Amino acid sequence: AQKITQTQPGMFVQEKEAVTLDCTYDTSDQSYGLFWYKQPSSGEMIFLIYQGSYDEQNATEGRYSLNFQKARKSANLVISASQLGDSAMYFCAMRCPYSGAGSYQLTFGKGTKLSVIP
Amino acid sequence: DGGITQSPKYLFRKEGQNVTLSCEQNLNHDAMYWYRQDPGQGLRLIYYSQIVNDFQKGDIAEGYSVSREKKESFPLTVTSAQKNPTAFYLCASSALGTSIYSNQPQHFGDGTRLSIL
Repeated sequence: AQKITQTQPGMFVQEKEAVTLDCTYDTSDQSYGLFWYKQPSSGEMIFLIYQGSYDEQNATEGRYSLNFQKARKSANLVISASQLGDSAMYFCAMRCPYSGAGSYQLTFGKGTKLSVIP
Repeated sequence: DGGITQSPKYLFRKEGQNVTLSCEQNLNHDAMYWYRQDPGQGLRLIYYSQIVNDFQKGDIAEGYSVSREKKESFPLTVTSAQKNPTAFYLCASSALGTSIYSNQPQHFGDGTRLSIL
């Protein structure tokens, strides 16, 4: 079975500083994808960044980057130059095409609440 | 603008009552999903559908039912058999892509908060 672990229930970061949100995953599959989503207090889930298990380079999207360490099964999200609008819940999720009831099913972690301090 | 519309935003259910949550998308996505989110928890999959007139149970399907009569619509019914329905419900959709390695993300609606009266 697939599992996502986010060990930081809450994090604080000073505005304009960088922050790393941890995510470890467990799967026996060789092919999988990792996603990060942001959930503001309003509730909607916003897709941030994707990393495929066969991607050799770490994914980047603007201020977001993914520190992918395959051997350690970790996919940490790095947010550079934090802004007040970054305060939200952040969820790591995994998709394993050859496992589970559906090849497009996502397994989510419990999330990390990030608070950006002015 | 393309997107996913969930309604209502807030919903209250009486004991023994079935309620239906609406989800409509105009992204032309083949796949649609329903998730449940409890406080302090991640999302758990209730049902998903990859094609019209077909859907599959997720991890916590008991007490819920769905239909997929149109590509754009995937309503969720919370039945009276669901004894603890109070939660935040999120609908999502995604393109299936040309490969199972597709990096197509799931796109989410704004959610419905369901409470028991």
